[in-house]
Amino acid sequence: AQRVTQPEKLLSVFKGAPVELKCNYSYSGSPELFWYVQYSRQRLQLLLRHISRESIKGFTADLNKGETSFHLKKPFAQEEDSAMYYCALSSGSARQLTFGSGTQLTVLP
Amino acid sequence: DTGVSQDPRHKITKRGQNVTFRCDPISEHNRLYWYRQTLGQGPEFLTYFQNEAQLEKSRLLSDRFSAERPKGSFSTLEIQRTEQGDSAMYLCASSFRGVGADGYTFGSGTRLTVV
Repeated sequence: AQRVTQPEKLLSVFKGAPVELKCNYSYSGSPELFWYVQYSRQRLQLLLRHISRESIKGFTADLNKGETSFHLKKPFAQEEDSAMYYCALSSGSARQLTFGSGTQLTVLP
Repeated sequence: DTGVSQDPRHKITKRGQNVTFRCDPISEHNRLYWYRQTLGQGPEFLTYFQNEAQLEKSRLLSDRFSAERPKGSFSTLEIQRTEQGDSAMYLCASSFRGVGADGYTFGSGTRLTVV
């Protein structure tokens, strides 16, 4: 069975500092991984996906199959990045998502 | 707002009562998902519809839970004989087949509190 682990429940960094949110996964097939973000009082929304290898709002994430990781990084954190971040893995014919437990990022002024 | 709508936003019910939630997906989306999120956890998959057919159900979906999507439009999730452990946020999401999980649009959720 698939599993997604986010080891940090809470993460605080100062504005302008680099940030890395960790995500590890367990899956027997070829993984399809995503990062979702939930800002305060807003709905869950897609941040980025590994397939597109894009950078959204300055965030990037690289799939490392050897380490089974998909860490989210940003070189210079901004206060507006404060939010809950979820790593998720898509599987099955239904393309359902298996989520990690989330990391609450707080960017301090 | 043309996104995914869920109703009600909040529901407080007494243990043992039945509750029903509604989800209106984006109109052109033929895939619809229900997830449940408890405090401190990420969302967990409950069930999936493609058009009106319920094609996947998680083992989390006990026989007290039933979901429907008549005519492939809106969906309802009913919980019978609610228990305190059912207290959670119930999220609905929709997507268009072929787009994949990145095409998900989530609703704001229905927060259920069983007292």
